[in-house]
Amino acid sequence: DTGVSQNPRHKITKRGQNVTFRCDPISEHNRLYWYRQTLGQGPEFLTYFQNEAQLEKSRLLSDRFSAERPKGSFSTLEIQRTEQGDSAMYLCASSSVSGAGNTIYFGEGSWLTVV
Amino acid sequence: GENVEQHPSTLSVQEGDSAVIKCTYSDSASNYFPWYKQELGKGPQLIIDIRSNVGEKKDQRIAVTLNKTAKHFSLHITETQPEDSAVYFCAAPSGSARQLTFGSGTQLTVLP
Repeated sequence: DTGVSQNPRHKITKRGQNVTFRCDPISEHNRLYWYRQTLGQGPEFLTYFQNEAQLEKSRLLSDRFSAERPKGSFSTLEIQRTEQGDSAMYLCASSSVSGAGNTIYFGEGSWLTVV
Repeated sequence: GENVEQHPSTLSVQEGDSAVIKCTYSDSASNYFPWYKQELGKGPQLIIDIRSNVGEKKDQRIAVTLNKTAKHFSLHITETQPEDSAVYFCAAPSGSARQLTFGSGTQLTVLP
C-alpha cells in the first residue's frame, strides 16, 4: 500500500493556461475526493467519485474545473483558463466504504501557483 | 450542512507539557470525528479518530474525547515533543458521501 499519490507536486502556470493534476488513490479504495486548501485554511471539499461516477460537486467547483475518473482507478482534475485565485494546494483523498466507516486518507497535494 | 469550529487557532506549549485542542460541530447525525496533522508543505495525515459509540480513545500520547450531547470533541497530546509542532485539523462528516468538513486549524508550537 503506497498511499495516495499525486502529481505534479508543484505547478507554476501563467494566467489563462490550462493545468491538469493526477491522483492515484490507495488501491481498491472505491471513493476518491478532491479538496482545495489555501494558506491558513482547512481543506475545502470540491468533488467526489464512487468508482467512476462523480456523485457530488461543491459550489466551489466552477465551470472551469472538471474532474474525471474514467476507469474507477486514477483521477484527473483539470482547471481551464486559470486565474490567480486558483492558486492553492489541491488535495486528493481516498477511502473504502465499509462497515467500519469511511476513513479518508490524503495525498501530499499538488501546489498550483498562477502568475 | 455541517459546521465545524476549532479553537484555539494558535497554541504554544513547553516541551513535556500537554496540549488540548477543541472542536464543536453542528450536525447531530455526525458519528465519526477524525483528527489530522499537517506539516508544512505536506498533505493532512490522519493521527486518530473516534466514532460516536465511544467517549474516549487513546493511542500512546494522543487521546480524543467526544461529548455527543454537547456536540464537541477534543484532542489531547501529552508529553509534547518538538516534532509535534504542526497544524492540527479536526473534521466531521457531511454530505451524501460523508465527505469531511474541516475546522480552521490549530498551529501547535512545542518550545524546546
